[in-house]
Amino acid sequence: NAGVTQTPKFQVLKTGQSMTLQCAQDMNHEYMSWYRQDPGMGLRLIHYSVGAGITDQGEVPNGYNVSRSTTEDFPLRLLSAAPSQTSVYFCASSYLTSGSGEQFFGPGTRLTVL
Amino acid sequence: LAKTTQPISMDSYEGQEVNITCSHNNIATNDYITWYQQFPSQGPRFIIQGYKTKVTNEVASLFIPADRKSSTLSLPRVSLSDTAVYYCLVGDLYSSASKIIFGSGTRLSIRP
Repeated sequence: NAGVTQTPKFQVLKTGQSMTLQCAQDMNHEYMSWYRQDPGMGLRLIHYSVGAGITDQGEVPNGYNVSRSTTEDFPLRLLSAAPSQTSVYFCASSYLTSGSGEQFFGPGTRLTVL
Repeated sequence: LAKTTQPISMDSYEGQEVNITCSHNNIATNDYITWYQQFPSQGPRFIIQGYKTKVTNEVASLFIPADRKSSTLSLPRVSLSDTAVYYCLVGDLYSSASKIIFGSGTRLSIRP
């Protein structure tokens, strides 16, 4: 099993550009989530999903969109990048749909917005 | 969701036992306590999870008193590689999905 994979590993954007961060898992987990982590800070939940076709907002959803068309994939879209979105983004998945069970994290995407 | 409070940082030496305490005064009846470890430039990694009393695995032990308002993660005989940030979370395993809150964690530094 590859676990949770994320692409790209690094990305530099200009203000106003849009892009999609990819996340995939091969563990057949229903729960998937996106977090951002700013330097020296903890993780903050952006969006989460409890299954295909079901998504909900987390703590800091503004400026981000998600969709879940398959169990495996949970892409995160930045609509119009801003410098405040410079961060490391982690995707995670979990067998339990509460999200409180063990979460498996991807390696992260380091995003810089100029 | 129950909020957790942890020390911002802790220092220790190789070979020592390290105990990190987490306070969760408003923990709900069905909440479990979960600890994660995060190394620099990596995603968090699950360490241990428990509901009451004591849980032990090959990496750590988790001690939970009867009132469950706090918990202690115990790392036996730490090494330099245990230098990381440790997060304590509480949540109901079997409820509908909720917003998982990681908090700022405890930055553990191990010295030779």
